[in-house]
Amino acid sequence: GAVVSQHPSWVICKSGTSVKIECRSLDFQATTMFWYRQFPKQSLMLMATSNEGSKATYEQGVEKDKFLINHASLTLSTLTVTSAHPEDSSFYICSASLGVQGEQPQHFGDGTRLSIL
Amino acid sequence: AQSVTQLGSHVSVSEGALVLLRCNYSSSVPPYLFWYVQYPNQGLQLLLKYTTGATLVKGINGFEAEFKKSETSFHLTKPSAHMSDAAEYFCAVSKGSSYKLIFGSGTRLLVRP
Repeated sequence: GAVVSQHPSWVICKSGTSVKIECRSLDFQATTMFWYRQFPKQSLMLMATSNEGSKATYEQGVEKDKFLINHASLTLSTLTVTSAHPEDSSFYICSASLGVQGEQPQHFGDGTRLSIL
Repeated sequence: AQSVTQLGSHVSVSEGALVLLRCNYSSSVPPYLFWYVQYPNQGLQLLLKYTTGATLVKGINGFEAEFKKSETSFHLTKPSAHMSDAAEYFCAVSKGSSYKLIFGSGTRLLVRP
């Protein structure tokens, strides 16, 4: 149980393109979804927290207009990287949580590797 | 502020040997603690978690971890390493009503044949 699907797994596109990444909880309703960015050989950096039906909460230093997050339902959150540039190339990972309390573990998708040429 | 320290960015063991991955945390309130494993080009998989109750927690794939409040540690162990255990391991902490995870920097486990 608690499966999170992330799509696409790999994207290569030209600079200036906008890219949308989907995160779905397949067998549970996710109260909260999270978006992370991971640089090579580094840990995960939380970008934003999204709750269904409300605006996402962004971490300090993350550009809201660059990384658009929509959480339209309890099973789907999307991250759109707008006008992507080479410096946006990274591994993006989403996660979903069953509850709002800290003891609920986050369940992670398999990540999306974004390469901007 | 909370933080997580994983001692050793790389740990190398022989197949069949004991695995010990270290994690220390700092938190002003009782934390919730997690260990995740990441295989190349994949997301993170939950190995085990500590919330309350028994301080020795058993997880998947034969891993276990012990919460030691006096040492602010949550080290991950496995009695006998398998080649398939080679991966990146992350310790993480959240606290109280906050569902945000704070991750350690990760430890890459290498298993020698």
